[in-house]
Amino acid sequence: DGGITQSPKYLFRKEGQNVTLSCEQNLNHDAMYWYRQDPGQGLRLIYYSQIVNDFQKGDIAEGYSVSREKKESFPLTVTSAQKNPTAFYLCASLKSGRANTGELFFGEGSRLTVL
Amino acid sequence: GENVEQHPSTLSVQEGDSAVIKCTYSDSASNYFPWYKQELGKRPQLIIDIRSNVGEKKDQRIAVTLNKTAKHFSLHITETQPEDSAVYFCAAPVDYKLSFGAGTTVTVRA
Repeated sequence: DGGITQSPKYLFRKEGQNVTLSCEQNLNHDAMYWYRQDPGQGLRLIYYSQIVNDFQKGDIAEGYSVSREKKESFPLTVTSAQKNPTAFYLCASLKSGRANTGELFFGEGSRLTVL
Repeated sequence: GENVEQHPSTLSVQEGDSAVIKCTYSDSASNYFPWYKQELGKRPQLIIDIRSNVGEKKDQRIAVTLNKTAKHFSLHITETQPEDSAVYFCAAPVDYKLSFGAGTTVTVRA
């Protein structure tokens, strides 16, 4: 059963702590993306990776970091430098690295709450 | 995203009526325009898309129209049903990434 798996689904963090959100896909897709979703603001791109061992900043990368050591995995670290990290985080993948080539597949999301 | 504007932000329609959501984009090089539907608590899923070489595409009760000259595209839902209640996002490619609109919350009243 192919798809994208995000974990954890819910996460609580104290201020000043780093947390890492996991994203794994078994679709054999080249490109992977991290979006942040806040009410009324749509989906904003944090980081994206078109190929293994390469990634680029999106529109709101400050306070976040990623790695792409394997094709299947694209973890996102929310660092203590992110001023307002409470949000819903969505991981997605695309078969090729070009955004106009087809459907973006999303994971079920991770909801991060900073206490 | 700032490259894609979406209106309205909320839309309430009577069951059986039509719903229309409009988006404008700024990058004239954009050539692919998808629409995603996100039901409450679920992931966004593609419902229809259109490429710049056509002006309209239909799939049962949903259709998308594209006006490249004006740089806008619209989603049309006819004969709305309760299961159409969701948040709808339009998107357009900018370089190697998709830029999303802010979303439209559609509520279908019984």
